[in-house]
Amino acid sequence: DIQVTQSPSSLSASIGDRVTITCRATQSIGRYLNWYQQRPGKAPSLLIYAASNLQSGVPSRFSGSGSGTDFTLTISSLQPEDFATYFCQQSYNTPRTFGQGTKVEIK
Amino acid sequence: QVQLQESGPGLVKPSETLSLTCSVSGGSISGFHWSWIRQSPGKGLEWVGYIYYSGTTDYNPSLKSRVTMSIDTSKNQFSLKLRSVTAADTALYYCARDGYDSGWYYYDSWGQGALVTVS
Repeated sequence: DIQVTQSPSSLSASIGDRVTITCRATQSIGRYLNWYQQRPGKAPSLLIYAASNLQSGVPSRFSGSGSGTDFTLTISSLQPEDFATYFCQQSYNTPRTFGQGTKVEIK
Repeated sequence: QVQLQESGPGLVKPSETLSLTCSVSGGSISGFHWSWIRQSPGKGLEWVGYIYYSGTTDYNPSLKSRVTMSIDTSKNQFSLKLRSVTAADTALYYCARDGYDSGWYYYDSWGQGALVTVS
């Protein structure tokens, strides 16, 4: 199985901060990497697919980059509604696997 | 926009079978893969498997011996059965659609989740 490891597992940030979350795969997965946001008590919601494609309706302050084994999710200016947990997920092959999550908290 | 809704018992006894159904509305079940994903504090998000609208399946090897998925296109529903459950199968179970764009696959629609406790 391809493992995907996120870092950090949690972070504290203020409104307006630039936030970066990384995801590393145990083998090259091209750009088969997706990012999700999960608010408390809700299902995950797709933010980015194919490493850098913004899902329709997602604010442009979210962006993704990377290929191969190293990927990044960036929030350019953190907003109150962005305090949530973020997950990466590889779709290169099955079994599909997810990162362990990064919880973004208010500083 | 397509909507998904899980249904099934919230409590299952050890060694019995967990059964969940996902009802799809606002769109056709045809043409897509449909997945079950579970979430627990200990294991995070875990892909259980998917079923294509034609009935083709792919399961997580860690669960393959105990999982069966089925689909009913006439009812726009798909289902999960997990046999011989233990406390380790206690989780929030999500159904989700495998959206795709030019060969890229991702989960673009999710149900609200069904909490299943094994006890």
